[in-house]
Amino acid sequence: KQEVTQIPAALSVPEGENLVLNCSFTDSAIYNLQWFRQDPGKGLTSLLLIQSSQREQTSGRLNASLDKSSGRSTLYIAASQPGDSATYLCAVRPATNSGGSNYKLTFGKGTLLTVNP
Amino acid sequence: GAVVSQHPSWVICKSGTSVKIECRSLDFQATTMFWYRQFPKQSLMLMATSNEGSKATYEQGVEKDKFLINHASLTLSTLTVTSAHPEDSSFYICSALRRAGTQREQYFGPGTRLTVT
Repeated sequence: KQEVTQIPAALSVPEGENLVLNCSFTDSAIYNLQWFRQDPGKGLTSLLLIQSSQREQTSGRLNASLDKSSGRSTLYIAASQPGDSATYLCAVRPATNSGGSNYKLTFGKGTLLTVNP
Repeated sequence: GAVVSQHPSWVICKSGTSVKIECRSLDFQATTMFWYRQFPKQSLMLMATSNEGSKATYEQGVEKDKFLINHASLTLSTLTVTSAHPEDSSFYICSALRRAGTQREQYFGPGTRLTVT
């Protein structure tokens, strides 16, 4: 059974700081990994999706890396801003032919990020 | 594009009553939708996979007679919580699977906050 762990559970940084969020997963047989942002009481916004064959994806100040063999991914946020404050969730999709629905996502508990002005 | 809506955004009901939550894909058709539940500071847990025109597939431990799912059209899935109890109070999020060529990606709704008194 796939398990996704995110460290740290919470992080507080001053505005302008660069930061790294970590995600690890126990089963390396994944199709892709996705990072989401969730604001309090809201749904999920997809930030970056990395296919299993890729090493990293970038969007603006965000960069996500994937090391499938070691079961790790990181989300790097450059020059953090107060508007980046949210919970960041990591989710993995199983590789095809792994049984059951191939589209089911397994989520971590998230990292609550607070960027202080 | 790829917008998913949920209705209502929040609902309060009395113990023993039933509540229906709607999930709609607004600008694409979705033969597959997913229902998740999220408790405070916890991860999203998949409850069931909703398939248009057929029965939903429930995850282990989820009571299918309590959480009724109907996916009657390509843009609408409903989750009915029957005989709700306070322990059913949670944040319910749906997602719709968008198929574009060989790409498959889940798009999430904004969530529904259910409080059972």
